[in-house]
Amino acid sequence: DAKTTQPNSMESNEEEPVHLPCNHSTISGTDYIHWYRQLPSQGPEYVIHGLTSNVNNRMASLAIAEDRKSSTLILHRATLRDAAVYYCILDNAGNMLTFGGGTRLMVKP
Amino acid sequence: DVKVTQSSRYLVKRTGEKVFLECVQDMDHENMFWYRQDPGLGLRLIYFSYDVKMKEKGDIPEGYSVSREKKERFSLILESASTNQTSMYLCASSSGANVLTFGAGSRLTVL
Repeated sequence: DAKTTQPNSMESNEEEPVHLPCNHSTISGTDYIHWYRQLPSQGPEYVIHGLTSNVNNRMASLAIAEDRKSSTLILHRATLRDAAVYYCILDNAGNMLTFGGGTRLMVKP
Repeated sequence: DVKVTQSSRYLVKRTGEKVFLECVQDMDHENMFWYRQDPGLGLRLIYFSYDVKMKEKGDIPEGYSVSREKKERFSLILESASTNQTSMYLCASSSGANVLTFGAGSRLTVL
């Protein structure tokens, strides 16, 4: 199974943009890139997903490299409520999503 | 919004007890999942189901079983709880697009 690599932790200042990187060098042509986040004491929640083109929604933007071997989740203006663990996951359209360790984002006021 | 409801937020059980963790979703999703989450190990898939009465093993099914008698309900069963099953258990559901909606979690402590 294709795996993802993310930094263990990142820090950001409130109201600044945050770029969370993810490497997936063994991605296959049919793998979707999913991002989830987990706020303290809650289950993970879906953020965004994409295949080849960049994607935007109300929560975030997803920038996918042209060779698809990496992607970046962009939070345009971080708030204290964005402090969470962010997971980058590959989905090969099977039924199983495998979560790695994720990136713990800390947001400073 | 899709809701996934887990019956108990916190449980404390004794070694050897039978434990039922219940999960209900209200959006007619075909797929349902049980994960456990432990510090340093992330989320690991225990079992999933893609239809009523169907089940598939995930990465760590040993010591667990599941039941899906109705589409909206997916139960995780620990036949004889052990201390190494102390964990946070997370239920999720999805439609064909494979976007998961998780419940709030059930924190199980086995003494």
